Amino acid sequence: GAVVSQHPSRVICKSGTSVKIECRSLDFQATTMFWYRQFPKQSLMLMATSNEGSKATYEQGVEKDKFLINHASLTLSTLTVTSAHPEDSSFYICSALGTSRSDTQYFGPGTRLTVL
Amino acid sequence: QKEVEQNSGPLSVPEGAIASLNCTYSDRGSQSFFWYRQYSGKSPELIMSIYSNGDKEDGRFTAQLNKASQYVSLLIRDSQPSDSATYLCSLQRGSARQLTFGSGTQLTVLP
Repeated sequence: GAVVSQHPSRVICKSGTSVKIECRSLDFQATTMFWYRQFPKQSLMLMATSNEGSKATYEQGVEKDKFLINHASLTLSTLTVTSAHPEDSSFYICSALGTSRSDTQYFGPGTRLTVL
Repeated sequence: QKEVEQNSGPLSVPEGAIASLNCTYSDRGSQSFFWYRQYSGKSPELIMSIYSNGDKEDGRFTAQLNKASQYVSLLIRDSQPSDSATYLCSLQRGSARQLTFGSGTQLTVLP
């Protein structure tokens, strides 16, 4: 099956620093990737839709200047949390749409971000 | 009204029983529906997808869709303790095929 990886799996940083999270589709090309955030005991909330070679589309309430998304190739999308604060601590999960089964999203393993 | 509604549970069933998970949605135009399983601290994994009215079976799992009632369900037969997880109902929307998730139902299968 399709495999999506994320790196790092866990990161702890100080308040005010920036953190970059990578999402890679390992065995397929993904023209569209999605970034989700999940707080404890809550469901996944879509943050943004990332299309290769174009600007990301952000969901209402998500600050595009704080959560920078780059989708430079068909296998890589990155999310940078700029000037992270403790309230940004969450589980960040990416997913990718496979081009062969275009309706199925494959999820990465997630990145646990803790901002001190 | 939320786009996707699920009973948050928790739902407890004994090992070997049938677990029934339910979901309703508000957008009549929705066409694609998915059930994901999420273990604590892990990302979701796809269990079933369903697009047409009726039942779809895959091993111990059966998804049911009723578009007239805007209702999707997941039945797990012969439940095992390893099925204990949070089950997320989702539907696909928009031209970019974004997923909207329900709040999830926490299932515990008691040995």
